[in-house]
Amino acid sequence: LAKTTQPISMDSYEGQEVNITCSHNNIATNDYITWYQQFPSQGPRFIIQGYKTKVTNEVASLFIPADRKSSTLSLPRVSLSDTAVYYCLVGDKADSWGKLQFGAGTQVVVTP
Amino acid sequence: GAVVSQHPSWVICKSGTSVKIECRSLDFQATTMFWYRQFPKQSLMLMATSNEGSKATYEQGVEKDKFLINHASLTLSTLTVTSAHPEDSSFYICSAGTGHTIYFGEGSWLTVV
Repeated sequence: LAKTTQPISMDSYEGQEVNITCSHNNIATNDYITWYQQFPSQGPRFIIQGYKTKVTNEVASLFIPADRKSSTLSLPRVSLSDTAVYYCLVGDKADSWGKLQFGAGTQVVVTP
Repeated sequence: GAVVSQHPSWVICKSGTSVKIECRSLDFQATTMFWYRQFPKQSLMLMATSNEGSKATYEQGVEKDKFLINHASLTLSTLTVTSAHPEDSSFYICSAGTGHTIYFGEGSWLTVV
């Protein structure tokens, strides 16, 4: 299972774009990249998932270069409510994902 | 998206008693579910893998006799903390997956007094 590395923290102001990059150098061919958001005292919430190139949904975009050794979560025009910890996870079939060892995640703090 | 639900959201119990936490996949079946523990300002720590119809697989250092896991159906796994002690107080989270994605429950706060 691919190990991931993310920045520990990022600060931003409201209305700015936040980009969080995750390194996963030993990603396997069948692995997908998934990002989660976690608020205090809540379980992680699915944000976005991708395999290659770019994926966009109503809350974020995910950029994956051709070599797939990293990925970047982009949060457009953040608000105070986007203050949370963001986790990048890499894995294949869902049944095996629980074996993933969570990294520390990235604490994003948005200020007015 | 898929929904995983936990119950209760929070529970207080007395030392020495047992408490059960339920994890349900609401709109998909899951042969495997996972239980985590999270301390304040720390990341999730995998405790065990719950397998439908068979014994759970525990991570090293997790007492299987204290944290009993039952996965009796494809949509329900339960975690029972037996003979609870104050040091068992924590935030417990479950997850279940479908396809290439896992979804997490809302989490359950356990306070042992």
